[in-house]
Amino acid sequence: AQSVTQLDSQVPVFEEAPVELRCNYSSSVSVYLFWYVQYPNQGLQLLLKYLSGSTLVESINGFEAEFNKSQTSFHLRKPSVHISDTAEYFCAVSATSGSARQLTFGSGTQLTVLP
Amino acid sequence: DGGITQSPKYLFRKEGQNVTLSCEQNLNHDAMYWYRQDPGQGLRLIYYSQIVNDFQKGDIAEGYSVSREKKESFPLTVTSAQKNPTAFYLCASNPGSYNEQFFGPGTRLTVL
Repeated sequence: AQSVTQLDSQVPVFEEAPVELRCNYSSSVSVYLFWYVQYPNQGLQLLLKYLSGSTLVESINGFEAEFNKSQTSFHLRKPSVHISDTAEYFCAVSATSGSARQLTFGSGTQLTVLP
Repeated sequence: DGGITQSPKYLFRKEGQNVTLSCEQNLNHDAMYWYRQDPGQGLRLIYYSQIVNDFQKGDIAEGYSVSREKKESFPLTVTSAQKNPTAFYLCASNPGSYNEQFFGPGTRLTVL
């Protein structure tokens, strides 16, 4: 079984400042890692994913995350945030093998960008 | 456009009533999922289905039921046995690779 810990439930940051949302996971098998974003009263949208290869993955809107196997982490970063980045962010993990294709989610981090 | 639709967006129910939430996808995905979302608790898996006419319980299946008679549809029934049904319900589907899931817009259920 896998588990995910998002260390910060709320992160306030000023516009144009950098931000890091932390995610640690626990698993006895190899994993895929995901970050999803959720705007109020909407579903989740995939932001980026790590499947294999380069440990640094990037999204089209400037976010990036780095898979660190030794520290079992997948922190999300953005060098300069915008008001429109205000949303809840979920880290998720799944095993690379097995037929259930289940995702295990963290409890979420609410990012609030202040003007 | 391909995607996942959930209806209704908002639903109100009296205590003791069963209610069914709709989830339809035209992505031709085999696997479908239902999650419950409560503030501060992330998403918890209720039921999932990997193929038509087959489904499995997730972590919090008590008080819920599902059916999968068609590949496109995976309705969730919240029964009167569910003690605290007020929540945001999300449906998702998986294309069969890398466990990535695509989500619908959600249904917010409120029990009055």
